[in-house]
Amino acid sequence: GAGVSQSPSNKVTEKGKDVELRCDPISGHTALYWYRQSLGQGLEFLIYFQGNSAPDKSGLPSDRFSAERTGGSVSTLTIQRTQQEDSAVYLCASSLSPGGRVNEQFFGPGTRLTVL
Amino acid sequence: AQSVTQLGSHVSVSEGALVLLRCNYSSSVPPYLFWYVQYPNQGLQLLLKYTSAATLVKGINGFEAEFKKSETSFHLTKPSAHMSDAAEYFCAVSGANSKLTFGKGITLSVRP
Repeated sequence: GAGVSQSPSNKVTEKGKDVELRCDPISGHTALYWYRQSLGQGLEFLIYFQGNSAPDKSGLPSDRFSAERTGGSVSTLTIQRTQQEDSAVYLCASSLSPGGRVNEQFFGPGTRLTVL
Repeated sequence: AQSVTQLGSHVSVSEGALVLLRCNYSSSVPPYLFWYVQYPNQGLQLLLKYTSAATLVKGINGFEAEFKKSETSFHLTKPSAHMSDAAEYFCAVSGANSKLTFGKGITLSVRP
C-alpha cells in the first residue's frame, strides 16, 4: 500500500513569506507526527496529532508555527513570516495508534524548506 | 526526561568489516529504543526496536542491537558491511504519546 506522502518535496521561499507543508499519512493511521531535521539541531519533534486533535504541541518552536489535521487524515504545517532559521527538512510520520510507546512510526520523504 | 547520545558523527568501515554504531540512552522509565536508517533524500526507515521482550534484537538487512541496562546502551552492529549500508543512522527513545527523541545521527561510509 501507499506510504506517507509529503508535498511539496522542495520549497524555496523568501524571508517573511508564509508556507504550507502537507502530509498524507498511511490510511487508517490515527497518530500523526511532525519532526524537523536541521543541520544544527538534528531531528526534533514538533507536534503530535491523535485524530484531529493535537494533545502535544510542545515542540513547536514559536507561535509562527501551527498545524492542523482534518478528517483524521491530511495534516498541514503552516509557518508564518518565515525566517532563515526555519530552513530545514520537515518530516511527517504516522502510526496505527499512539498507545504503549512501541508502535512503529512510518516516515514520509520530507519537505526541504529553504528560506532565502 | 529522555535522551539518547550517539558519539561521533561519522564512521567509516571497509566492505566486509564489522559495523558498530554506538548509542547510549537516559530514561526515567523503562526505555523503548529504536534504530532508524536514512538513505540520501529519503525518509527514515525502521531497522529494529527494543520493547523489553528480548535484550538482543534482530532487525532488517542483517543488523542487530543489544540492550544493556547496566551500561544504558543500545549499540547497533552488523557482522559484515555492504556498500549499500552507507547511510545515516539514528538512535531514538520513545516517550509519551510515542513521540521520538533522536540522537544526532551517525553517517556510515563503506569503503570498497
